[in-house]
Amino acid sequence: EAGVAQSPRYKIIEKRQSVAFWCNPISGHATLYWYQQILGQGPKLLIQFQNNGVVDDSQLPKDRFSAERLKGVDSTLKIQPAKLEDSAVYLCASSLAAIPGDTIYFGEGSWLTVV
Amino acid sequence: DAKTTQPPSMDCAEGRAANLPCNHSTISGNEYVYWYRQIHSQGPQYIIHGLKNNETNEMASLIITEDRKSSTLILPHATLRDTAVYYCIVRVPDKLIFGTGTRLQVFP
Repeated sequence: EAGVAQSPRYKIIEKRQSVAFWCNPISGHATLYWYQQILGQGPKLLIQFQNNGVVDDSQLPKDRFSAERLKGVDSTLKIQPAKLEDSAVYLCASSLAAIPGDTIYFGEGSWLTVV
Repeated sequence: DAKTTQPPSMDCAEGRAANLPCNHSTISGNEYVYWYRQIHSQGPQYIIHGLKNNETNEMASLIITEDRKSSTLILPHATLRDTAVYYCIVRVPDKLIFGTGTRLQVFP
C-alpha cells in the first residue's frame, strides 16, 4: 500500500520568496492534515481538511500561509512571503476518517530552509 | 496543548525491553492514547494505540492503567534501529496534538 507522498523533499529559498508543498494522501483517505515541525520540537497542526472542506485552520498563519485541497484528494500548502522562522519540516498526514481510534499516517515531510 | 507528560530522554541496552512511560491524568473517557516515533529526518511512524485495554502488535505493547491516567509503551527487544523520539499522544478528538516526546537511545 502506497503511503502519504510529499514533494519536494527539500527546498531552500530566500526570505520574502514564495514556496509551495504538495501532498498526495493514501488512497481513499478523507481526512488530510498539515503539520509544521521546527527543529527540536514536536509537530504542530496547521490545518485539517475533511474531503475538500477545512475543519480546523485555527493555527494557520493566514497572513502568509494558505492551503487548499481541490477535489478532496491532493493538497498544496503555500507560504508567501516566507520568513526566516518558517524554516521547518512540513508534514502531511492522512486518515480514513476523522474518528477516534482511526490511524493517522504521516509522509516523510518537506524540509524548508529560509535564508 | 498536549495532554501528556513524558521524560525527555531514556537509555536502553540492545536486546533488553524498553519501557517508555507516559502520564495523561486529564484524559477523558472516550479519548485514545496513541504512540508514534520519529527517527531523524523521517516523518512520524505510527506504533500503536488503545482506549482502555492493553494492546499488542508486531512492533510493541501498550499497557494502560485501569484509571487511564498513565500508560507504558513496551518495546520487548530493543535494537539500535529503535533509537528515536517517541511521542505519546492523547487524541482530541480527531487530531493529534504532539508534545516534545522521549528521546530513546539504544546502546550496544
